[in-house]
Amino acid sequence: QSVLTQPPSASGTPGQRVTISCSGSSSNIGTNYVYWYQHLPGTAPKLLIYRNNQRPSGVPDRFSGSKSGTSASLAISGLRSEDEADYYCAAWDDSLSGPVFGGGTKLTVL
Amino acid sequence: QVQLQESGPGLVKPSQTLSLTCTVSGGSISSGGYYWSWIRQPAGKGLEWIGRIYASGSTNYNPSLKSRVTISVDTSKNQFSLKLSSVTAADTAVYYCARDHDGYGANFDYWGQGSLVTVSS
Repeated sequence: QSVLTQPPSASGTPGQRVTISCSGSSSNIGTNYVYWYQHLPGTAPKLLIYRNNQRPSGVPDRFSGSKSGTSASLAISGLRSEDEADYYCAAWDDSLSGPVFGGGTKLTVL
Repeated sequence: QVQLQESGPGLVKPSQTLSLTCTVSGGSISSGGYYWSWIRQPAGKGLEWIGRIYASGSTNYNPSLKSRVTISVDTSKNQFSLKLSSVTAADTAVYYCARDHDGYGANFDYWGQGSLVTVSS
């Protein structure tokens, strides 16, 4: 069981906006930054969002992150076929003294 | 551009020690400012942080693996390494090395391509 909880799957059609949720607790999301990763099979995970809502250079502004209390969300607007991937949230956990990940959400573009 | 590359045996026998090395190029581990982590992903499962090391040699480990994990650094070779002892089939996974930009975060901005390690006799 992952420390952070994500829905196992999400889907949308091209051009649509989809959101992926991530639920945690006061020891992780509640007090620390949230990060989001995109993972395509056979490749290295790619940092999409850092420190709740910041995008690294090169990440399209179609991707956005938000946080409220002990939950966070990743929103993808203008969905494209190449967005089909697994998405993971992550945060530092004060109780474990280390980073923890969500179980991942498989996004399907219909 | 920073690049990380994992290397090591792809097959380890049960009860033995898994050993992997991550070679960093395009940046120096000894320059400081970053943590260097190991993360794994069993087939069909999510990502799990194993532990990390700073250039000084200071380490942090996942409590669930702490008794079996040792992470070390060789700044002269710009490498850091993972040793996981007493492995079982549950340790079969793709192992990634990654650079962590934040001390108290999960800001893994550069990753290796991953190394599949299978535990089997």
